[in-house]
Amino acid sequence: KNEVEQSPQNLTAQEGEFITINCSYSVGISALHWLQQHPGGGIVSLFMLSSGKKKHGRLIATINIQEKHSSLHITASHPRDSAVYICAVVRTSGSRLTFGEGTQLTVNP
Amino acid sequence: NAGVTQTPKFQVLKTGQSMTLQCAQDMNHEYMSWYRQDPGMGLRLIHYSVGAGITDQGEVPNGYNVSRSTTEDFPLRLLSAAPSQTSVYFCATRKPGSSQETQYFGPGTRLLVL
Repeated sequence: KNEVEQSPQNLTAQEGEFITINCSYSVGISALHWLQQHPGGGIVSLFMLSSGKKKHGRLIATINIQEKHSSLHITASHPRDSAVYICAVVRTSGSRLTFGEGTQLTVNP
Repeated sequence: NAGVTQTPKFQVLKTGQSMTLQCAQDMNHEYMSWYRQDPGMGLRLIHYSVGAGITDQGEVPNGYNVSRSTTEDFPLRLLSAAPSQTSVYFCATRKPGSSQETQYFGPGTRLLVL
């Protein structure tokens, strides 16, 4: 079993829909990252959070440390949100990142 | 400010050939790392460096060498390429200090080993 699990693996939505991507982890962490990988391959950091909730535009990320779970929400989804969304955790033992496999999101017009 | 640059963007090698993947950053970040990305798997750490002259192994270091002679550059060397090294390679950097800092990724290098 992977230490970082994302669900769903693939998600197709219609433009305007509210989207949720989940990340569960089984190790102790000090922080969690959400990353976005565009179809061209580039990876950008969306959020880094260690507790609570962060919001940036239409994106909201939450984390529950006790339940070892984080969610990424996209409100009013748009075709330009189509990408792979990756969850990565920073272990408390050391500073390396452990990545989930990613969630492929496709938003249709 | 170019951020993190990687060259080449795409490379085809024959089994047994050697090559160097280049990574450069202009953000004065001390921490640099190399990842590989394979279908159905998350990014995996190959090697990393916490500063010039200091390198260490990640999860999947076999078949790869690194060096860090300057803060700006962190090349990844494949000594004798194997088909199992066909992958997309990403270089990443982050600010010094906390491991919770934002990671900055290069655009990636697609490597095909025949």
